[in-house]
Amino acid sequence: DVKVTQSSRYLVKRTGEKVFLECVQDMDHENMFWYRQDPGLGLRLIYFSYDVKMKEKGDIPEGYSVSREKKERFSLILESASTNQTSMYLCASLAELSNQPQHFGDGTRLSIL
Amino acid sequence: AQTVTQSQPEMSVQEAETVTLSCTYDTSESDYYLFWYKQPPSRQMILVIRQEAYKQQNATENRFSVNFQKAAKSFSLKISDSQLGDAAMYFCAYRSRNYGQNFVFGPGTRLSVLP
Repeated sequence: DVKVTQSSRYLVKRTGEKVFLECVQDMDHENMFWYRQDPGLGLRLIYFSYDVKMKEKGDIPEGYSVSREKKERFSLILESASTNQTSMYLCASLAELSNQPQHFGDGTRLSIL
Repeated sequence: AQTVTQSQPEMSVQEAETVTLSCTYDTSESDYYLFWYKQPPSRQMILVIRQEAYKQQNATENRFSVNFQKAAKSFSLKISDSQLGDAAMYFCAYRSRNYGQNFVFGPGTRLSVLP
C-alpha cells in the first residue's frame, strides 16, 4: 500500500512566522500535490509537482511556495503566515498513469494565531 | 475550466438502508475520469470508486455503486446496506485524461449513519 506521511497532524504558529509542512511518499510516485481543505469549499489545489525540482501553481498559490528536492518529499512553505491561512492541509501523491487515484496523507490542521 | 458540484452539504441514512449522494460536473472534454473519495473523521482520504468516462457500464465496488450519466454530466454514488463505518465526508472528483495531473474536487457531502 502507498503511504503518504505528513510530518505533523496539528500545528500552531504565530502571524508572520515562516512555516514548513512536510510530506513524504514511499511509492516512487512522480506527482505530488498540496491542497487546502476548508468547510464548504472542498479541496483547493495550492501547488503540485510532476518531477523533482518541477512545480506548477494551482488555484490558490498566493502566500505559499513549495520545494521538491527529492522525489519522495514535497514541502509546503508559508513564507509569512497569516490568520487566513488557518486551515487543514492535505498532501497527495499520484502515479503517472492517468486512471489512478491520488493517495492522501492524514492532513495537518494548521492554526495561525 | 472544469467544475464539480455536490448539491447536498449533509445527508443522513438509517443503518442498513440505501442512500444516494449526487454529483454533477461541467466539462467540454469527452474523455476523463471520475472518482468518489471518502474522508472519515480520522481524516485520511481514501478512494471509494472510480469511473472512466469512455466506459458505459457503471462501476461497482461491493456495497458502493455509481450511476454515471455522461450526457447529463451526472455521477451519483449509491451506498447500499449502510453501515456505521460509512459515516464520513464524501468528495466527488474529476480528472481530465488529456490535460495535466490535476483533480477537481466538489465541496463534499457529510453523511451521517443513524443506528
